[in-house]
Amino acid sequence: QSVLTQPPSASGTPGQRVTISCSGSSSNIGSNTLNWYQQLPGTAPKLLIYNNNQRPSGVPDRFSGSKSGTSASLAISGLQSEDEADYYCAAWDDSLNGVVFGGGTKLTVL
Amino acid sequence: EVQMVQSGAEVKKPGESLKISCKGSGYSFISYWIGWVRQTPGKGLEWMGIIWPGDSDTRYSPSFQGHVTISADKSISTAYLQWSSLKASDTAIYYCASPLLGVPWAFDIWGQGTMVTVSS
Repeated sequence: QSVLTQPPSASGTPGQRVTISCSGSSSNIGSNTLNWYQQLPGTAPKLLIYNNNQRPSGVPDRFSGSKSGTSASLAISGLQSEDEADYYCAAWDDSLNGVVFGGGTKLTVL
Repeated sequence: EVQMVQSGAEVKKPGESLKISCKGSGYSFISYWIGWVRQTPGKGLEWMGIIWPGDSDTRYSPSFQGHVTISADKSISTAYLQWSSLKASDTAIYYCASPLLGVPWAFDIWGQGTMVTVSS
């Protein structure tokens, strides 16, 4: 059981916009910034969004993040086949004194 | 090139000890936290703990405290994750990562992962 809650799966067709939610509590998302990671099959995770809505250099602007209260979401617009991956949210948790991850969402591009 | 290179895959028996490594290069190794993350087969990511290589200040996830040891040798820019007595449930891929963006806990550099298999 992960501390942050994500839907196990999401899907969309090429060109569509999809969103992935991440729900937490006051000790994590509610009081700290949220990061998103993309993990392509067989590879290490890659930082996709940091500080709730910032993109590292090289990440397309099709990816965007937002946060409100104890929830956050990742939006992917203009969905492409190469976006098929697992997506994880993560944040520092003040109660656990460590980083907590969501259970991950497997995105399928139909 | 900034990179973190981890040691190779390991196959061990229950009860055996193990130490895997993560070598950083292309950046100031002692100036960034290094975290360890576990990924069990077909499962998600679990944060195990972090170390500040400059002074070896270490923090553990409660889930892993007492079962693993995180250390670092700044003279060779290498961090370690070790077990004194492995269990079958330790079978997983282990990643090291660092927040080189300078944003706390936003891990933007990752090692390639080390697969650890524990089986009798």
